[in-house]
Amino acid sequence: GENVEQHPSTLSVQEGDSAVIKCTYSDSASNYFPWYKQELGKGPQLIIDIRSNVGEKKDQRIAVTLNKTAKHFSLHITETQPEDSAVYFCAASSPDSSYKLIFGSGTRLLVRP
Amino acid sequence: KAGVTQTPRYLIKTRGQQVTLSCSPISGHRSVSWYQQTPGQGLQFLFEYFSETQRNKGNFPGRFSGRQFSNSRSEMNVSTLELGDSALYLCASSQAGTGGLAQYFGPGTRLLVL
Repeated sequence: GENVEQHPSTLSVQEGDSAVIKCTYSDSASNYFPWYKQELGKGPQLIIDIRSNVGEKKDQRIAVTLNKTAKHFSLHITETQPEDSAVYFCAASSPDSSYKLIFGSGTRLLVRP
Repeated sequence: KAGVTQTPRYLIKTRGQQVTLSCSPISGHRSVSWYQQTPGQGLQFLFEYFSETQRNKGNFPGRFSGRQFSNSRSEMNVSTLELGDSALYLCASSQAGTGGLAQYFGPGTRLLVL
């Protein structure tokens, strides 16, 4: 079945540095790739998403890139701030439905002040 | 606009009991999906409802069921609870159709089975 691998599992950066989280999906039919941020005690918050017909999308300090050939997509956070500390999840839509998301295992990001 | 709301937020049950969780989607959203989150298995898709019909189902046993009402509110039910059902149950809503694919999650219901 569809599988999404996410790396690294933990990431520690200095405030102001950039952070990059990478995901790989297994089925080339996936067409939608959202990223979520989850803080302790809260539900996942959608921070950015990209569709398969787009290679890159940016929203202020956050950007996502998609390489369909390699079945690989990445989250880039620039000028990190302590409030960026959280667990980040990537997801890919299932080949049989865009509304069925397959999630990566998560990356715990720590931004050191 | 109000976000996705889920009730109750916390629940303690014993093995063999059943439980019903409720989800109210964002106003105007017609698709509701349910996910289970555990430390060991991560976030796993349970099912998705659209216009009161289950469109998609994940790989969970038949003890897990759901429904959607005409106002798009949704409930999920777990019967004959097992210890392994202890998890955070998340509901997400989406406009669906031409409105887009983005799913917005609620805060979840944390279920503890003793």
